[in-house]
Order: sequence, then C-alpha cells, then structure tokens
Amino acid sequence: DARVTQTPRHKVTEMGQEVTMRCQPILGHNTVFWYRQTMMQGLELLAYFRNRAPLDDSGMPKDRFSAEMPDATLATLKIQPSEPRDSAVYFCASGTTGYETDTQYFGPGTRLTVL
Amino acid sequence: TQLLEQSPQFLSIQEGENLTVYCNSSSVFSSLQWYRQEPGEGPVLLVTVVTGGEVKKLKRLTFQFGDARKDSSLHITAAQPGDTGLYLCAGRDTGRRALTFGSGTRLQVQP
Repeated sequence: DARVTQTPRHKVTEMGQEVTMRCQPILGHNTVFWYRQTMMQGLELLAYFRNRAPLDDSGMPKDRFSAEMPDATLATLKIQPSEPRDSAVYFCASGTTGYETDTQYFGPGTRLTVL
Repeated sequence: TQLLEQSPQFLSIQEGENLTVYCNSSSVFSSLQWYRQEPGEGPVLLVTVVTGGEVKKLKRLTFQFGDARKDSSLHITAAQPGDTGLYLCAGRDTGRRALTFGSGTRLQVQP
C-alpha cells in the first residue's frame, strides 16, 4: 500500500533555529504539494511542484521559507530562521497531473512547535 | 484567492442521526472534492464532483455539487461513531492545479 512519508513526525525547536522537513512522495507521482494547517487558518497551500519544477510558491513567506525537490523521491521544506508563528502541522501530498479528478495523497504531517 | 466557507464549524450528534454539511463560495470551481481527516493523519479523499448538479453516493454519504458550481453539500444518513472526523471541502479553479480548502467541519458522533 503506497503512502507518502514525512519526517520528522514531530519537531520542537527554539525561535531562530533552522527547521528542515522531508517528504517522500508516492513512487510515480509527478506533483508534490506542501500545505500548512493551523486551527485559525485551516489548510493553506504553501508550494507545489510538477516534475520537480516549482509551479506555485505564492503561499510561502519567501524571506524564511524555501521548498526544493533534489530528486523525484525527495521534497524538502526549510524554515530559516523559524518563528513561533510557524508552529503548525505541515503536510506533504503527492499526485499525478492531468485532470479534474486528480487525487492528492497526503502524508501524516510534521507537527512543528517553535518556542 | 477564492474562499470556501463551511458550515457548521462544529457538530456533535448521536449515533443514528442524519446531518448535512455545507460548503459555499462566491466563486465558480471547475471541480470540488471532499476529504475526511482523522486526528494525527492527513486528509483522505472521499469524492470528486465535476458537473454542476452532480450527485454522488458513497454508502451512507451523499455529495452534491451546486448547479452553478459554487457550492456543495455532504449529507450523512444514520451517522456512526466511525464517521467522526474533520470534513474538508476543496475546490479547484480552472487552470490552477492546486486546491483551495474550506475551513472544515468537525463532526463528533456519540455512541
């Protein structure tokens, strides 16, 4: 049963520290999405990639966040420096392009707490 | 940014009751999806609706896409404790591959 994996599942860090979250998309999927979920804002899109190329990162604070896909099996989301307001659950999702019925498969998320 | 408002935000009911969750927007979507999310996990897709007026059924769940493709509803018949979770609608506008998620409805079904 293919699944999206994310590491770490939980991260507690102090303000100002760098945070790196990793995602392994489902083999064969060519789109990868990063979302952030908070109680106040709900689920927000941060960035997404197709065939490893960034297509939309308009939801991401550019000054401190960066997203990359070094290869087809790894997507990373970095925050440097981290701030308390970044505390949230970060989800990665993968899927295949094409049509309106595209399904996004979500990973279990990384719960980030910035003190 | 297109906004999707869901109502109610919270719903606590007894097993066996029926319920309806609404997802509304002032914008038109080319398709709309419903997801369910359980604690500690990511959302899982339940259904995709594409055509205005479309109705889809998934066991005790009935999904409808509004005629104008601006709104949708999810109706659950005879709710069970296993239906407990956060229900999210998500719309996709023409030409943009990413989804815009609604604010969510948190459902608790008491045995």
